[in-house]
Amino acid sequence: GAVVSQHPSWVICKSGTSVKIECRSLDFQATTMFWYRQFPKQSLMLMATSNEGSKATYEQGVEKDKFLINHASLTLSTLTVTSAHPEDSSFYICSASSGLAAITDTQYFGPGTRLTVL
Amino acid sequence: GEDVEQSLFLSVREGDSSVINCTYTDSSSTYLYWYKQEPGAGLQLLTYIFSNMDMKQDQRLTVLLNKKDKHLSLRIADTQTGDSAIYFCAESQRGSQGNLIFGKGTKLSVKP
Repeated sequence: GAVVSQHPSWVICKSGTSVKIECRSLDFQATTMFWYRQFPKQSLMLMATSNEGSKATYEQGVEKDKFLINHASLTLSTLTVTSAHPEDSSFYICSASSGLAAITDTQYFGPGTRLTVL
Repeated sequence: GEDVEQSLFLSVREGDSSVINCTYTDSSSTYLYWYKQEPGAGLQLLTYIFSNMDMKQDQRLTVLLNKKDKHLSLRIADTQTGDSAIYFCAESQRGSQGNLIFGKGTKLSVKP
């Protein structure tokens, strides 16, 4: 079936540094990729939607200059947390969709990346 | 705004049936999903239902939808220890193309 990977699975960084998270669709072409953020015991909150070759669409309240998203190919999207602060510590999950209209072609989720900012 | 609510915990004995409930507020929800998240893994789509359906059965899984009450349930028959996980209810207006609104997840614990 459709597999989505994320790298790294966890990362610890110092405050003020930037961190890049990769999301890859391994066996299908992902026209659309989604980035979610999950706080402990909370639901997933959509941060942004990106379509290959175009700028990402950010949800209200998500700073586009802080969370840089690049979707340069049909199998790779990256999320860069710039000048990370402790409040950015969270579980970041990506999902990918081939973009077909069929309901069964739903979003396939990656395993998530745990970011801890010291 | 849109909201999806679930109870946070459910504990059952192996072999019993589990029923996980979910309520949503958006009456224009078109697609409703159940996802399973095991520790350290991504979300796995278990099943989905269109808003014009009342029930869907897939092996041990039965989804019931009461559109009038905006209530969705997932029944797992003959629950096994391998079913222990967090189950997320989600709704969307546009299917795979659209924003998924998730509940907080129900942690299912299956005792032997």
